[in-house]
Amino acid sequence: SQQGEEDPQALSIQEGENATMNCSYKTSINNLQWYRQNSGRGLVHLILIRSNEREKHSGRLRVTLDTSKKSSSLLITASRAADTASYFCATLGGGNKLTFGTGTQLKVEL
Amino acid sequence: EPEVTQTPSHQVTQMGQEVILRCVPISNHLYFYWYRQILGQKVEFLVSFYNNEISEKSEIFDDQFSVERPDGSNFTLKIRSTKLEDSAMYFCASTGGYTDTQYFGPGTRLTVL
Repeated sequence: SQQGEEDPQALSIQEGENATMNCSYKTSINNLQWYRQNSGRGLVHLILIRSNEREKHSGRLRVTLDTSKKSSSLLITASRAADTASYFCATLGGGNKLTFGTGTQLKVEL
Repeated sequence: EPEVTQTPSHQVTQMGQEVILRCVPISNHLYFYWYRQILGQKVEFLVSFYNNEISEKSEIFDDQFSVERPDGSNFTLKIRSTKLEDSAMYFCASTGGYTDTQYFGPGTRLTVL
């Protein structure tokens, strides 16, 4: 998989269900950030997890990071129709730039 | 809550023309970035800027591209002679510390005809 590749590419769930998205990366990182993008719109920052952290929560979001497996997961609990969007992970490595993944398109149906 | 702003939201230009995309980063931030996203593809890093100079740039950021912070608030991306393949959404981002959250603007959709 490429740096910051999300899985699955697309996910369709019912409102109220949980959504889990995974991200894998290849190189060592300083931190990993998750962003949401509504169709054709800007990138909204959701959560940042640093390389020395294993889990982080923010509201209905839970992010885990396993640096030994070079992977992260984003869990959205009790999903809502308004959560419908594309979700991207982005890694900050040794340089001063974010490397984005390919994204997971989440659709939450009523 | 402070936010990054970008103008214009949509820019249409003819191939070979120069365009300037403008950004106002969050006021106390020190690091500034441009990224782009070609339709249907992932977001790609173009350039980072700190202390009035480029700190890193990608292979995409060739001699046709330049960045400037002309005053204390604006951060601009100039494309000297646009090509069809420059058509994309261009995002500006800023952060207070380079390992901190990068906050993105709403983007400028550039269409090159």
